[in-house]
Amino acid sequence: GAGVSQTPSNKVTEKGKYVELRCDPISGHTALYWYRQSLGQGPEFLIYFQGTGAADDSGLPNDRFFAVRPEGSVSTLKIQRTERGDSAVYLCASSLNPRGTGELFFGEGSRLTVL
Amino acid sequence: GESVGLHLPTLSVQEGDNSIINCAYSNSASDYFIWYKQESGKGPQFIIDIRSNMDKRQGQRVTVLLNKTVKHLSLQIAATQPGDSAVYFCAELRDYKLSFGAGTTVTVRA
Repeated sequence: GAGVSQTPSNKVTEKGKYVELRCDPISGHTALYWYRQSLGQGPEFLIYFQGTGAADDSGLPNDRFFAVRPEGSVSTLKIQRTERGDSAVYLCASSLNPRGTGELFFGEGSRLTVL
Repeated sequence: GESVGLHLPTLSVQEGDNSIINCAYSNSASDYFIWYKQESGKGPQFIIDIRSNMDKRQGQRVTVLLNKTVKHLSLQIAATQPGDSAVYFCAELRDYKLSFGAGTTVTVRA
């Protein structure tokens, strides 16, 4: 497709379970971001990839969160031992030029609900 | 804490009127300031940006104003339409990282 694709669109899980969220960026975009958005708030930065490497993971809240991008395209955000506070919409975005004008292309997000 | 924030969480506008959405920022080192629009159930969508060394930039029906003296950013939407109803976020870009404020919900009245 032409845009950023995220799956699943909705995920309901139980406290303590493991979750994976997938992002397929726009073809050719080397920069990939994960953001988290809680209800009524702006997106909060989690991690930034340039190519295959995580250039900045300073936004990951703790070591239960991990993200990979092994081939420089698709990325997976992994959350271990989920907690109710992890419930949010997880947004992925990609960009052709990360040091450009700030135009990121966002997916529609994966809504995570932890019961 | 956040370095970008908005003055008002909600704005109600009559269709056809102009809208003005405001944002205050605290970080003077940002490279660009950007406005995003987010419709319900969708990801944020880029509207317009302005480089930190500019004070005004116009797009299609939108104008962004940057006042560095008082660290204020605004988005003006001309002839507001029902499709403009959404949450609007200002954001700042420093290096590669985009930081968002909390958002203003704009509702357009018919």
